[in-house]
Amino acid sequence: QSALTQPASVSGSPGQSITISCTGTSSDIGAFNYVSWYRQNPGKAPKLMIYDVRNRPSGISNRFSGSKSGNTASLTISGLQAEDEGDYYCSSYTSNTTYVFGLGTKVTVL
Amino acid sequence: EVHLVESGGGLTQPGGSLRLSCAASGFTFSNYAMTWVRQAPGKGLEWVSLISGSGHSTYYADPVKGRLTISRDNSKNTLYLQMNSLRAEDTAVYYCAKASAYYYGSGFDYWGQGTLVTVSS
Repeated sequence: QSALTQPASVSGSPGQSITISCTGTSSDIGAFNYVSWYRQNPGKAPKLMIYDVRNRPSGISNRFSGSKSGNTASLTISGLQAEDEGDYYCSSYTSNTTYVFGLGTKVTVL
Repeated sequence: EVHLVESGGGLTQPGGSLRLSCAASGFTFSNYAMTWVRQAPGKGLEWVSLISGSGHSTYYADPVKGRLTISRDNSKNTLYLQMNSLRAEDTAVYYCAKASAYYYGSGFDYWGQGTLVTVSS
């Protein structure tokens, strides 16, 4: 199972919106509405930001939104804030009853 | 409050074995699938294995099939990862995590702090 494709880095100024793409195949992202997004800060465990493509866990700001079209999922962060910096990983359930992560995207707030 | 605490990591030689544990608290352990995810130094996340809430069903990533075995003891609220025939490429921080819902495919909403496994001669 190959890793999902994400841009290596995305940056934006405070208040702006950014979007991180995550491209897979018809065997993972395209097959199920089971895409999750995680943020990881240095030396910390990942934190779930979005699950099932577009659902936010309790406590996650509504500035974070997820979507999917075909084999590509996206995470949009609106009203970018300094605290949004970190490494973002997408993940998808697959047709082999496994999971696959993306390679990660470093988000920088300018 | 949900807590996951991993232990058992350390240094071992190629071909060696280790057993990781993940002690869970704050939720009904047997109701949720659990997973192991690893992260090699400076690299991204890699899914390793998942076990159903009952423990009857297990799933593995291809690179670890036949060498790593996931299990759980619901009476002790503990998840395990038995690691055999270890290779240098298994060097990573290993995280345990809880499924966020009762169905496969859901994200993982609580994670432990991770335990470092180093395979080197």
